[in-house]
Amino acid sequence: GAGVSQSPSNKVTEKGKDVELRCDPISGHTALYWYRQSLGQGLEFLIYFQGNSAPDKSGLPSDRFSAERTGGSVSTLTIQRTQQEDSAVYLCASSLGLAGGLGELFFGEGSRLTVL
Amino acid sequence: AQTVTQSQPEMSVQEAETVTLSCTYDTSENNYYLFWYKQPPSRQMILVIRQEAYKQQNATENRFSVNFQKAAKSFSLKISDSQLGDTAMYFCAFKSRETGGSQGNLIFGKGTKLSVKP
Repeated sequence: GAGVSQSPSNKVTEKGKDVELRCDPISGHTALYWYRQSLGQGLEFLIYFQGNSAPDKSGLPSDRFSAERTGGSVSTLTIQRTQQEDSAVYLCASSLGLAGGLGELFFGEGSRLTVL
Repeated sequence: AQTVTQSQPEMSVQEAETVTLSCTYDTSENNYYLFWYKQPPSRQMILVIRQEAYKQQNATENRFSVNFQKAAKSFSLKISDSQLGDTAMYFCAFKSRETGGSQGNLIFGKGTKLSVKP
């Protein structure tokens, strides 16, 4: 697609429920990133996929968080047993990765998660 | 580990004036990128300007320019002729280019909220 697409744009859920957030990166981008942005805060790195390499999961805050990237394209971030502190905007970004470009990340508009 | 610090949580400027946003970073690496991203209320992060560390010349994009001081690890953003549409959060970010470094990860500062007043 023309840009990074994320869905849903907004999600309200009850504490304890599982949620899935989807990211569709720019076609041809080999690198995909998930960040979390809490209200009024900076961006917290969660996970990074580069091609077929094992993902860098070093930013995932707990084992309730997981992410997959199928076929080197679409990614899903899953949060199990959601807690109120998980409320944030989840931003996805993609880039040309190690092979090219000038390091720039292209961001989606984010998914705002509210846990009641 | 690399860190990025933005010491100004909020700033304001009058329309048509010039404003400078500060950013410092800490790294032991020699080869990296630095970026300024803008995040308007619509939430989408937009690249404003980038700098490659090996280039001594400061990057410029229309009304936006940087003052890159590699030895001081400083990377400030100057916005000239400020416009109402410049109102946004501005994030400074670092990305390694070195093998074995944190190549994948863009490390962000906490941001500066800029308000342009009419």
